[in-house]
Amino acid sequence: SQQGEEDPQALSIQEGENATMNCSYKTSINNLQWYRQNSGRGLVHLILIRSNEREKHSGRLRVTLDTSKKSSSLLITASRAADTASYFCATDEATTDSWGKLQFGAGTQVVVTP
Amino acid sequence: KAGVTQTPRYLIKTRGQQVTLSCSPISGHRSVSWYQQTPGQGLQFLFEYFSETQRNKGNFPGRFSGRQFSNSRSEMNVSTLELGDSALYLCASSLGQGVLTEAFFGQGTRLTVV
Repeated sequence: SQQGEEDPQALSIQEGENATMNCSYKTSINNLQWYRQNSGRGLVHLILIRSNEREKHSGRLRVTLDTSKKSSSLLITASRAADTASYFCATDEATTDSWGKLQFGAGTQVVVTP
Repeated sequence: KAGVTQTPRYLIKTRGQQVTLSCSPISGHRSVSWYQQTPGQGLQFLFEYFSETQRNKGNFPGRFSGRQFSNSRSEMNVSTLELGDSALYLCASSLGQGVLTEAFFGQGTRLTVV
């Protein structure tokens, strides 16, 4: 079963615009990670935010985490065609049996047109 | 620093056969997790190994098994292949100590069962 849900399922924007996607999850977490996947290839790690953090930046990426609402958002600023990919959030649940296990959302497909 | 290496990249097998996939983690990482990705089920956790011990297991039948060697390299095996086993199999490596830190993924092995 999947831990989270992502919204929207698909997003189409033009180069230069910002892209925002949201992730909701169900249980308490240790941290939340965002990944990018290009067309059926491997997952590229983008950013990790810990449960005691509220916001984190990395280049054109901004991630927020609201543990009271069990939600996170990923903002990509000034999008480029190369940002076209699927984006996934993944949570590390705060349970005793969560060793090495990430729970993934269904992903958001982002298309950036020139 | 070399990334996570998965071999082979592509495999075509016949129903009833067995298959072994390999994953070499990032140097210094002792935890290897395996995931199955399909269009219908998304990313599903298979199992995790740390220091040659399986610490966690997902909800997959016993036909799916794995192991880890003393150099942290890991293999997963699927016996008696079924058509539904066709998927992208991804492995992730992380430090493995305490709370899950950043998990880095390989490019995956695309398995097609015919």
